[in-house]
Amino acid sequence: NAGVTQTPKFQVLKTGQSMTLQCAQDMNHNSMYWYRQDPGMGLRLIYYSASEGTTDKGEVPNGYNVSRLNKREFSLRLESAAPSQTSVYFCASSAGTSSRSSPLHFGNGTRLTVT
Amino acid sequence: KNEVEQSPQNLTAQEGEFITINCSYSVGISALHWLQQHPGGGIVSLFMLSSGKKKHGRLIATINIQEKHSSLHITASHPRDSAVYICAPWAGGTSYGKLTFGQGTILTVHP
Repeated sequence: NAGVTQTPKFQVLKTGQSMTLQCAQDMNHNSMYWYRQDPGMGLRLIYYSASEGTTDKGEVPNGYNVSRLNKREFSLRLESAAPSQTSVYFCASSAGTSSRSSPLHFGNGTRLTVT
Repeated sequence: KNEVEQSPQNLTAQEGEFITINCSYSVGISALHWLQQHPGGGIVSLFMLSSGKKKHGRLIATINIQEKHSSLHITASHPRDSAVYICAPWAGGTSYGKLTFGQGTILTVHP
């Protein structure tokens, strides 16, 4: 099993460019998440999808959009990249929405630099 | 918002030593996760616990819900344990989006 697959692994953008980070899971999980990780800060939730067809804002949603394309795939789009979006992005999934019973499975991350 | 504090922020040990990493949080929670982030960046879930103690190999996690405190112990540490360890308390509710992550403890184990 591949688990959670993120692409690309690295990306450099110029300010104002757009891009989409792709995420797919093969564990039949209901819930999927996008986090960003910045030096000196804990992981912060950007958006999440509790189930197919639903998406909700997390702690830091500004400048991002998401699409839950189907149960497997959850993409993150930067419409107009800004240097403040330089970060490492992680996609994750869980079987359910209850943190008590569903461990998180993470992708390997995407290192994004915006110049 | 749940304030999460991990200590120490950095920890260096010799192979074979007993390691303890602490996590304190400010808001009552239903469960807490411990995660491991490898030097290459990948993140793995180690434990979820809501009470008492859990053990997996050389790793032991404990939690005291009333004291708002959890600890992660590593017995007989090994250089391959070198990683960042992150605690993430969950305040409850129906949404998993309410996890709060600590900044992490950087563990380095020397041979």
